[in-house]
Amino acid sequence: EVQLVESGGGLVQPGGSLRLSCAVSGFTFSSYWMNWVRQAPGKGLEWVANIKKDGSDIHYVDSVKGRFTISRDNAKNSVYLQMNSLRVEDTGVYYCTRLQNDGYDDYWGQGTLVTVSS
Amino acid sequence: DIQMTQSPSTLSASVGDRVTITCRASQSISNWLVWYQQKPGKAPKPLIYKASNLESGVPSRFSGSGSGTEFTLTISSLQPDDFATYYCRQYNYYPYTFGQGTKLEIK
Repeated sequence: EVQLVESGGGLVQPGGSLRLSCAVSGFTFSSYWMNWVRQAPGKGLEWVANIKKDGSDIHYVDSVKGRFTISRDNAKNSVYLQMNSLRVEDTGVYYCTRLQNDGYDDYWGQGTLVTVSS
Repeated sequence: DIQMTQSPSTLSASVGDRVTITCRASQSISNWLVWYQQKPGKAPKPLIYKASNLESGVPSRFSGSGSGTEFTLTISSLQPDDFATYYCRQYNYYPYTFGQGTKLEIK
């Protein structure tokens, strides 16, 4: 059974940092691109970043470039999102997702809540 | 960035109705479009990928069509479990972008 489990969310002050983790099981992790998608409270979905199977290709939405870093450890079956210089507008549920070879997210984690507030 | 515009934003319908949701892209995305269903407090679930392909396990009452800039999601006969919010997303260009969502409500 495919599982994605996020962790690391919490309450942080503006300007602070958090590191999100996503541990996966049930599939060959190193064969898939991985995504992070977020959703502000009561709002729609926003794609944040993704990373190629071997970590050699990475993409970000403009609003997080220079502040967030996506990475992965194929030996630990995990993908990470290091978030620095956090802003109030970064508040939301962050989902880790698996990208099918066709390019869409076929499996999603349950999400982890990040709250940026003073 | 590619802008994705869904219509309507809210749709009221009854069990058994046929409903259609439209998603328009600000420029051609070929057929690189996915439709998701999201229920409150839950992660989205893919329904249709590459504009018209039914995701495994999704009921056949869901269908998708379109290419280029205009796409539709159709539910042929609404069931109680279908009342949710639906999103489209393009994955032809970075950044991947979502529509704003369509909330399907019970009439």
